[in-house]
Amino acid sequence: DGGITQSPKYLFRKEGQNVTLSCEQNLNHDAMYWYRQDPGQGLRLIYYSQIVNDFQKGDIAEGYSVSREKKESFPLTVTSAQKNPTAFYLCASSTRFSGGAGELFFGEGSRLTVL
Amino acid sequence: SQQGEEDPQALSIQEGENATMNCSYKTSINNLQWYRQNSGRGLVHLILIRSNEREKHSGRLRVTLDTSKKSSSLLITASRAADTASYFCATVPTGANSKLTFGKGITLSVRP
Repeated sequence: DGGITQSPKYLFRKEGQNVTLSCEQNLNHDAMYWYRQDPGQGLRLIYYSQIVNDFQKGDIAEGYSVSREKKESFPLTVTSAQKNPTAFYLCASSTRFSGGAGELFFGEGSRLTVL
Repeated sequence: SQQGEEDPQALSIQEGENATMNCSYKTSINNLQWYRQNSGRGLVHLILIRSNEREKHSGRLRVTLDTSKKSSSLLITASRAADTASYFCATVPTGANSKLTFGKGITLSVRP
């Protein structure tokens, strides 16, 4: 079955630690995205990638980093510079960049809690 | 930046009733999409309507788009308890390199 796999589903981190969230897709999609979701805030775009070896900052990129070395993979690192990292993180992909294009396919999310 | 604003923020109805949710946006768009999210899960795409379309249907879903009023509505007919979820509208503004922007969502509760 094609889809997007995020791991881990739940993650606990101590303050000052970096953590990496995994996102893998087997849909052969060119574009991939990371969103952050806080209660009552909707989804906010962190980073996106239109093609391998290229990515751009979204609306709230500070304190986060990404890489896109393979088409299938778009990991997100939450660094210690992110002041309020506790949130629900969602990875998505689309056949091409969302501008004027079709739907996004989402993973099941990763919930990060900073202790 | 917030583009779509859903209304109401929360809606509670009885099973079998229709549910109507509204979305307003600020700038011209290429298309508008509706997504559903069950609690603690990822979002699932429901329907996409392009700026030159006025109405689309998909099963029990009906979406309308009024570009003159910059608004859209999502109608779920004959609701079921399983329709309980959060619903988000998302817009793609016109212009190069536009990004899909989500509203804050509507929480729908369908009582059995």
